[in-house]
This record gives sequence, C-alpha cells and structure tokens, in this order.
Amino acid sequence: AQSVTQLGSHVSVSEGALVLLRCNYSSSVPPYLFWYVQYPNQGLQLLLKYTSAATLVKGINGFEAEFKKSETSFHLTKPSAHMSDAAEYFCAVTRPGGYQKVTFGTGTKLQVIP
Amino acid sequence: NAGVTQTPKFQVLKTGQSMTLQCAQDMNHNSMYWYRQDPGMGLRLIYYSASEGTTDKGEVPNGYNVSRLNKREFSLRLESAAPSQTSVYFCASRDLSRGTNTEAFFGQGTRLTVV
Repeated sequence: AQSVTQLGSHVSVSEGALVLLRCNYSSSVPPYLFWYVQYPNQGLQLLLKYTSAATLVKGINGFEAEFKKSETSFHLTKPSAHMSDAAEYFCAVTRPGGYQKVTFGTGTKLQVIP
Repeated sequence: NAGVTQTPKFQVLKTGQSMTLQCAQDMNHNSMYWYRQDPGMGLRLIYYSASEGTTDKGEVPNGYNVSRLNKREFSLRLESAAPSQTSVYFCASRDLSRGTNTEAFFGQGTRLTVV
C-alpha cells in the first residue's frame, strides 16, 4: 500500500517569506513522488518530481523539494513567497515497475499575505 | 497542444438522472484515469485504464462506469446520479512506456452538481 500525508490543510505566509509545505509518504517499496499545484478553477499542473536520480529536486516557479528517506518526507519549499503562489498544492506517490495508480494527498491551500 | 480535454465543464443533474463525462487526450498516452475531488479529501481514484480495452476500479468506483473507447478517449458514466456524487471530476493521462516516474497530465475538470 502507498499513501501520502500532508500536514496542514491551510498555510499562510507573508509575501517574501519562506514557504514550507509538508508531505510524508508511506510505501512498501522505494517511491516515486510528485508535487502538483492547482490554481482556482483549473486542473493540476506538475511542479516537480522525484525520480531517484537526486534527492534535491528543483521545479518550476522557484520551488524545490528534498527527498529524505530516513524521515519518509518530501517537503516543498520556496525561499520567498510571491502573491502568485497562492494556490492548492498536492503531494502524490506512485511505485516503480509499471504500477498504474497514483495516490494523492488531501492538499494544502497556500495563502500569501501582502 | 490540447493535452487532456474534458466536456462538459459544468453540469447540474437531478437525482436519478444519468450522464456521461467525456475525456480525450492527444498525447498518445496508454494510461488514463478518472478522479473526483472533494474538499478536504484530495483526489480519489474512481477508475483507471492501463490500455485500450482494459479498465480497473480505483478506491471509489461505486455508482460509476467507464468506457475506454479507443486510445484517446475515456468516458465516465453516472447511471443514476445521487447528491453524494456532487464533486469536481478530473480526467488524467500518463505515458508509462517511459517508466512510472512520469507525471499525470490533467484536464480542466467538470464541476457536477446533483440536486
């Protein structure tokens, strides 16, 4: 079985402050991990993905995430929040070997305060 | 580049009515998925199709049926809509020919209200 847990359904940060969105995974085999962003009334777009090649993954819009096996975590960070970062963020997990299912977390809504 | 296209974008149904949500992708992906999104529950998998002619249940299949019409199209049918099926429905596709670390591409969603 595989799952992801996102801590905090709502996170508020000031414009220019650090963004930290938390994701912990559970998987019986080494996972593949993703972060997606959803803007209001839109579908999900990929921010970044962990492919086992490097533990620190850089994505679009200045976001990055670090895979930590010892902590079973894949937290999303951005050094300086921008108003345009306000959206909902989803962590997701799948498995290697042709596994079809992708399991999503419950999402974290990011509010950026001017 | 259309990507994944869903129709309709919005729909209001009365309890007991039926409808089909359409999804088409132009990326030549083998795998296609239907998810529903509800507040506080993230995305939950309804059905998926690993290839043309095959479909499998996800975690919340009750009340739904699917058809993989061809490689491009994957439709979701509600035979007798219930208020509990009020949700936002997303179709997605993936290319697993390059390994399972490939991301899913999503449509814009269908907002369904059952009254």
